[in-house]
Amino acid sequence: EAGVVQSPRYKIIEKKQPVAFWCNPISGHNTLYWYLQNLGQGPELLIRYENEEAVDDSQLPKDRFSAERLKGVDSTLKIQPAELGDSAVYLCASSLQGGETQYFGPGTRLLVL
Amino acid sequence: AQSVTQLDSHVSVSEGTPVLLRCNYSSSYSPSLFWYVQHPNKGLQLLLKYTSAATLVKGINGFEAEFKKSETSFHLTKPSAHMSDAAEYFCVVIPRGGGSYIPTFGRGTSLIVHP
Repeated sequence: EAGVVQSPRYKIIEKKQPVAFWCNPISGHNTLYWYLQNLGQGPELLIRYENEEAVDDSQLPKDRFSAERLKGVDSTLKIQPAELGDSAVYLCASSLQGGETQYFGPGTRLLVL
Repeated sequence: AQSVTQLDSHVSVSEGTPVLLRCNYSSSYSPSLFWYVQHPNKGLQLLLKYTSAATLVKGINGFEAEFKKSETSFHLTKPSAHMSDAAEYFCVVIPRGGGSYIPTFGRGTSLIVHP
């Protein structure tokens, strides 16, 4: 069974540029999570989807961050414009439903110059 | 609301000696608790989880954890450390109730294993 797929694995951009991350969850998993992980820290939830509905997005900086999960399968997280402080690893995870075991992708490491 | 406190940012052990990584939590509802491991440049991997069954949970690679409600703790242990156990470990709490399953991660404990 394929795991959670994320792309790209690495991204380097200049500040004020837009950037997008893509995630394909495990087949059949209704719940999808996006996390931000700063160096030396634990992951912090940005947004959680149940199918195509965003049910927890209080931690998502909505002035510059946006996310979508059309058709309730794969998802895209976008930052526009990127700031230096956005440099971090962006993790995607999925689970059968909320509260169940999460399975993580390898993450996208973003560097904003 | 919930929170997770991993009491040690670093734990250093010698190969073959026991491992103890400490985790305390708070949760408004009965929690599900998880331990994940993250090796350098690798994704997070589930070690074990507690939902509501046995309080002593066995996981992969010889790890286990005990849920102690009275102490609000979920410490991770292993009888004998191996060099390959060197990694970052995260304790996670998810409240089972209230309709919102927001996972909260601890800051992580870096396990260092000396030969």
